[in-house]
Amino acid sequence: KAGVTQTPRYLIKTRGQQVTLSCSPISGHRSVSWYQQTPGQGLQFLFEYFSETQRNKGNFPGRFSGRQFSNSRSEMNVSTLELGDSALYLCASSLAGRSDEKLFFGSGTQLSVL
Amino acid sequence: GENVEQHPSTLSVQEGDSAVIKCTYSDSASNYFPWYKQELGKRPQLIIDIRSNVGEKKDQRIAVTLNKTAKHFSLHITETQPEDSAVYFCAASRGGANNLFFGTGTRLTVIP
Repeated sequence: KAGVTQTPRYLIKTRGQQVTLSCSPISGHRSVSWYQQTPGQGLQFLFEYFSETQRNKGNFPGRFSGRQFSNSRSEMNVSTLELGDSALYLCASSLAGRSDEKLFFGSGTQLSVL
Repeated sequence: GENVEQHPSTLSVQEGDSAVIKCTYSDSASNYFPWYKQELGKRPQLIIDIRSNVGEKKDQRIAVTLNKTAKHFSLHITETQPEDSAVYFCAASRGGANNLFFGTGTRLTVIP
């Protein structure tokens, strides 16, 4: 069974641009979460999608948005990029996000904003 | 929201010794506490987890303890090996695996 797949692996953008990151969960998994990882702040929860609906949201500005498609694949979008958005963006999936399930991470997309 | 604190931020141990990493959480409603290991350049991987109805859980050389009253939980690694060298993250959640609040990580170095 393939793991969580994220594309692209690396991205370089400039301030003010927007970016879209993609995540394909493990086959059969319907819950997809996104996390931002930086050296200073560690891993921070962005949002979680289940059945094409945002179910949970962290404390990030509205420039960070996402969506989920009917095949459970998810995209994350960041508009008007700032230097501080440079980070590793990790996607994770679980079957349905229930309390008895485990979370599996992708390898991440390393975003650099210049 | 939940706030998870993790200590120490770095830890060096001799091969064969034990390592202990401690975390505290603020939300008394949190009921799921996983630990993740992240090797350099790789994805975080779940190594052990514990739920609030259990005080201790063990898996070979790894154990986790939970004190709900004090709102803290700890990771114990015995007989450490060089391949245990990585960054370890604790996390807490009230709703399961899909909404985790992470600690800031502990860089463990096992010296051969």
